[in-house]
Amino acid sequence: DAKTTQPPSMDCAEGRAANLPCNHSTISGNEYVYWYRQIHSQGPQYIIHGLKNNETNEMASLIITEDRKSSTLILPHATLRDTAVYYCIVRVANAGGTSYGKLTFGQGTILTVHP
Amino acid sequence: DGGITQSPKYLFRKEGQNVTLSCEQNLNHDAMYWYRQDPGQGLRLIYYSQIVNDFQKGDIAEGYSVSREKKESFPLTVTSAQKNPTAFYLCASTRRAGAAVTEAFFGQGTRLTVV
Repeated sequence: DAKTTQPPSMDCAEGRAANLPCNHSTISGNEYVYWYRQIHSQGPQYIIHGLKNNETNEMASLIITEDRKSSTLILPHATLRDTAVYYCIVRVANAGGTSYGKLTFGQGTILTVHP
Repeated sequence: DGGITQSPKYLFRKEGQNVTLSCEQNLNHDAMYWYRQDPGQGLRLIYYSQIVNDFQKGDIAEGYSVSREKKESFPLTVTSAQKNPTAFYLCASTRRAGAAVTEAFFGQGTRLTVV
């Protein structure tokens, strides 16, 4: 799986959009970008994923650059409950062999939402 | 409701003892994973299993063992050979992908403390 790079921490004011960047310059053509978040002492929660098109769901939007070497997770109206560690990972969706199923997480970005 | 369950939530172990952490899922997922998380750190992969009776070492498998006798269950044993076992342990599962993209479901974690 491709390596990802994220800033260690970010701040955001409540009600404003939080934009979390992720670099994945070695991503290959069949690797998807996934985002998860982890609230303290809980299991990570899936947020969104995409391949090359921008995606939106009830939680967030995902913007992937045209060259797919970076992406941005957007929380449109951040709340205090969005304070968490956000992980960006890239992974082959349906590869066989030894690469299947190996989810590799990096350090993530600690997002702190302030009142 | 379908989900993934880890037990116990908190576990204390005397130094030198083996201990087994439970992970059960009723999502009919083929792949299961064990991660370790230390304070302020990301998730590190210990072992993963793509299918029943098969498993592979992750990045930090030394001092751990697993079994996958049933699709629903993937217990992790922390052996006395693990030099620094105090950590937060997370279990996850994913559906076998085929042509579909799948996200990982995580348990709520087991916090192991060696006393």
